Amino acid sequence: DAKTTQPPSMDCAEGRAANLPCNHSTISGNEYVYWYRQIHSQGPQYIIHGLKNNETNEMASLIITEDRKSSTLILPHATLRDTAVYYCIVRLNSNSGYALNFGKGTSLLVTP
Amino acid sequence: DTAVSQTPKYLVTQMGNDKSIKCEQNLGHDTMYWYKQDSKKFLKIMFSYNNKELIINETVPNRFSPKSPDKAHLNLHINSLELGDSAVYFCASSPTKRGFGYTFGSGTRLTVV
Repeated sequence: DAKTTQPPSMDCAEGRAANLPCNHSTISGNEYVYWYRQIHSQGPQYIIHGLKNNETNEMASLIITEDRKSSTLILPHATLRDTAVYYCIVRLNSNSGYALNFGKGTSLLVTP
Repeated sequence: DTAVSQTPKYLVTQMGNDKSIKCEQNLGHDTMYWYKQDSKKFLKIMFSYNNKELIINETVPNRFSPKSPDKAHLNLHINSLELGDSAVYFCASSPTKRGFGYTFGSGTRLTVV
């Protein structure tokens, strides 16, 4: 699986958009980008995933650059409950049986 | 109903003991996992089962033995517990072996004294 690089920490004011970047310059053509988050003391939670097109769901938007070497997770209106560690993971979306490998992630702090 | 439930939530035990952690999912998922999160917060895959078949077995001491009696259950048995086994253990399930839609349990905090 391709390696990802994320900033270790970020701050965001409540009500503003939180933009979390992820670099994955070695991504291959059939690898997907997944985002999960872990709120303190809880199990990780799936947020969104995508291949090349931008994706949006009720939680967030995922913007993938045209060359697919980086992506941004956008939380449009961050709340205090969005304070968590956010993980960007790249892997094949296949039935190969490989589990998700979580890196260090970005610790997002949403402030009042 | 909790989608992925683990028991117990907390487990404090002495070195050398044998203990088990149980996991059940009611999502109808085919694949289940055990992850370990250590004090540095790294989350590492330990085992994965798909329809009761072991498909991932990372470099884990053989004191750790998973068992899947059916696709809704994945238990973790640990023999001869050591101090270094202290961690939070998360069970997870996913609809298939693909990378999306993992649902995690709330974790079992194991403390070995």
